[in-house]
Amino acid sequence: SQTIHQWPATLVQPVGSPLSLECTVEGTSNPNLYWYRQAAGRGLQLLFYSVGIGQISSEVPQNLSASRPQDRQFILSSKKLLLSDSGFYLCAWSVLMSAGGAFFGQGTRLTVV
Amino acid sequence: DQQVKQNSPSLSVQEGRISILNCDYTNSMFDYFLWYKKYPAEGPTFLISISSIKDKNEDGRFTVFLNKSAKHLSLHIVPSQPGDSAVYFCAATVTYSGAGSYQLTFGKGTKLSVIP
Repeated sequence: SQTIHQWPATLVQPVGSPLSLECTVEGTSNPNLYWYRQAAGRGLQLLFYSVGIGQISSEVPQNLSASRPQDRQFILSSKKLLLSDSGFYLCAWSVLMSAGGAFFGQGTRLTVV
Repeated sequence: DQQVKQNSPSLSVQEGRISILNCDYTNSMFDYFLWYKKYPAEGPTFLISISSIKDKNEDGRFTVFLNKSAKHLSLHIVPSQPGDSAVYFCAATVTYSGAGSYQLTFGKGTKLSVIP
C-alpha cells in the first residue's frame, strides 16, 4: 500500500532563517507530487506540483521553492523565511486519474517568529 | 478571485440527523469535484468525488450531488455521527489540464459539529 511521510510535524523558525521540509512517498512509482499551504482562515492553496523528477510548476509566486531530486521525494525550501510564511504545509501525491484524487501527508505546522 | 466557495464556515447538526454541506464554484472548466475531511493537525483525507458527467455519487452514508447549471455541489451525510465532526473541504479540478495531475482548487472549508 502507498504511504506518504512528511516531516517535521511542527517547526518554529525565526524570520530570515532557511527552511527545508521533506516529503517522501512509498509504494508507488512516478507519482504526481504537490505542496499545499493552509494559512489561518483560508483554504488549502496549491503552491507547487511536480509530474516528474526535476519538473516543478509553481502556482503562486512567493518566497518558497520546491525541488524533486528523486521520483518519490519532494522538498519545499526557502532561503529566508518571512512572517507571512507561517501556516500548515501539506504534501500530497496522486497517480494518473485515480478516483481518490490526491492523498495528503500529515502536514507540518510552521510558525515563523 | 475565489473559484471554489464554501459560504458556511460552520455547521452544527444533531446526531442521527442529516448534515448538508454546500459548495459553489465559478470556473466552468472544472470537471471533477472532491470532498475531503480534515481533523486538526492532520492532513485532509479523501471522502468522495464526482465527475461532471454525473449528478450524484453515493458511498455509504455520504452522497455528493452536483448541479452543473447552478455550479453547485453538496455533500449529504446521513445519519450524522459524532465522529463526523471535522472540517470538510470541497475541491475541484480540471482533469485534462496536463499530465493528469490533480491541481486541486479548494474552498475554505466548513467546520461540522455533530452534537450527541
